[in-house]
Amino acid sequence: AQSVSQHNHHVILSEAASLELGCNYSYGGTVNLFWYVQYPGQHLQLLLKYFSGDPLVKGIKGFEAEFIKSKFSFNLRKPSVQWSDTAEYFCAVKASSASKIIFGSGTRLSIRP
Amino acid sequence: DVKVTQSSRYLVKRTGEKVFLECVQDMDHENMFWYRQDPGLGLRLIYFSYDVKMKEKGDIPEGYSVSREKKERFSLILESASTNQTSMYLCASSLGGRGGNQPQHFGDGTRLSIL
Repeated sequence: AQSVSQHNHHVILSEAASLELGCNYSYGGTVNLFWYVQYPGQHLQLLLKYFSGDPLVKGIKGFEAEFIKSKFSFNLRKPSVQWSDTAEYFCAVKASSASKIIFGSGTRLSIRP
Repeated sequence: DVKVTQSSRYLVKRTGEKVFLECVQDMDHENMFWYRQDPGLGLRLIYFSYDVKMKEKGDIPEGYSVSREKKERFSLILESASTNQTSMYLCASSLGGRGGNQPQHFGDGTRLSIL
C-alpha cells in the first residue's frame, strides 16, 4: 500500500534561516506529488505540485521542492523563511493507478521573529 | 475563485445523535472528499465521490456514511455519534473524475465535538 512519511513533526527556525522539510513515499510507479500548507485558522491550500518534467518545481511564496525518484523523496525548501511562514505543511502523493491522494502526517513549522 | 463551503465552522453534538455535515462547491468539480484531521495523524480519508450518487470508502469509513444527490453537494453523516469522532472534518473537491490527479481545494473545516 502507498504511504507518505514526514519525519519532522515540529520544526522551529529563526527568521531568515533556510528550510528543508522531508517527504518520502512508498510506491514504485508513476506518482503525482503535492505540498499543501495550512496557515493558522485557514483552509489547506496548494503550495506546489509535480506531475512530470523538471524535477525541481517552484511554488508560491518562494517555496520549491525537488523530486528525487531514486530516493522516493519530494522535499520542500525555502532559502529564507519569514515569520508569516508559520503553518502546518502536508506532503501528498497520488499514484497514477490510484483513485485517491495519500497525505503525510504533517510538519508544524514555527518561526521565531 | 474556487470556493468550498462547509455549513458549520463549529458544532457540538451528543453521543448517539445522528449528525450531518454539509459541503458545497461552486466549481463544477466531479470529485468530492471528506477527511478528518487529527493532531499527529494528518488527513485521513473517510469517503469520496467521483460522480453524483457514486461513493467509495476511504481509509476510515466505519461509523460514517455519505450522500451525493447533486454534483455540488456532498454530505457526511455520522449515524450514531461517538466521542472518538470528535475531530476536525475537512471537505475537498477536485476536477477530473475517478483517478484524476488534479489538486484538491479545501473548505475551512468543521470542528465537531461529541459530548
